[in-house]
Amino acid sequence: GENVEQHPSTLSVQEGDSAVIKCTYSDSASNYFPWYKQELGKGPQLIIDIRSNVGEKKDQRIAVTLNKTAKHFSLHITETQPEDSAVYFCAASKGTGSYQLTFGKGTKLSVIP
Amino acid sequence: DSGVTQTPKHLITATGQRVTLRCSPRSGDLSVYWYQQSLDQGLQFLIQYYNGEERAKGNILERFSAQQFPDLHSELNLSSLELGDSALYFCASSPNPDQPQHFGDGTRLSIL
Repeated sequence: GENVEQHPSTLSVQEGDSAVIKCTYSDSASNYFPWYKQELGKGPQLIIDIRSNVGEKKDQRIAVTLNKTAKHFSLHITETQPEDSAVYFCAASKGTGSYQLTFGKGTKLSVIP
Repeated sequence: DSGVTQTPKHLITATGQRVTLRCSPRSGDLSVYWYQQSLDQGLQFLIQYYNGEERAKGNILERFSAQQFPDLHSELNLSSLELGDSALYFCASSPNPDQPQHFGDGTRLSIL
């Protein structure tokens, strides 16, 4: 089945700096890649997603890039703020009859004021 | 607030017991997914329903079962509980299987 590797497991950045989290997937049939943010005591919150027919997607300070050939995708957060501190999860799905998400192990992001 | 409602928020029970977790999807969403989150296994897909019918199964134990009712709410039943079943159980929903999934805030299950 699909395997998603995520790194780093922890990341500390100064407020205002950028943060990058990387994921690789194993199944070349995967075509949908969402990113979720999970705060303490809450469920995962979808922050951005990308499909395999697109190489990059941006939403204000957040961007995701996808390299299908290398089977990896990355989350970029610019101008980080303390409220960006949370655990971030990447995920992959094959779609077309197999929509369950396979998640990475998560990255704990700490933004230091 | 994602619009997905899970009850109860916390559940404490003993080994060997049976519990039922409930999920109300976002208004209009026909697809419901259950996930288990534990420290050692991370977030793992259990099962998916679409408009009342089972669509996909993941790493769900035989002691676990689920269903989706005509009003689209779903229940996850866990029986013969073991200490290792202690985890967060999340429900997610989407309008149809090809749309993004939105998660509820989960039920924390503690087995004593």
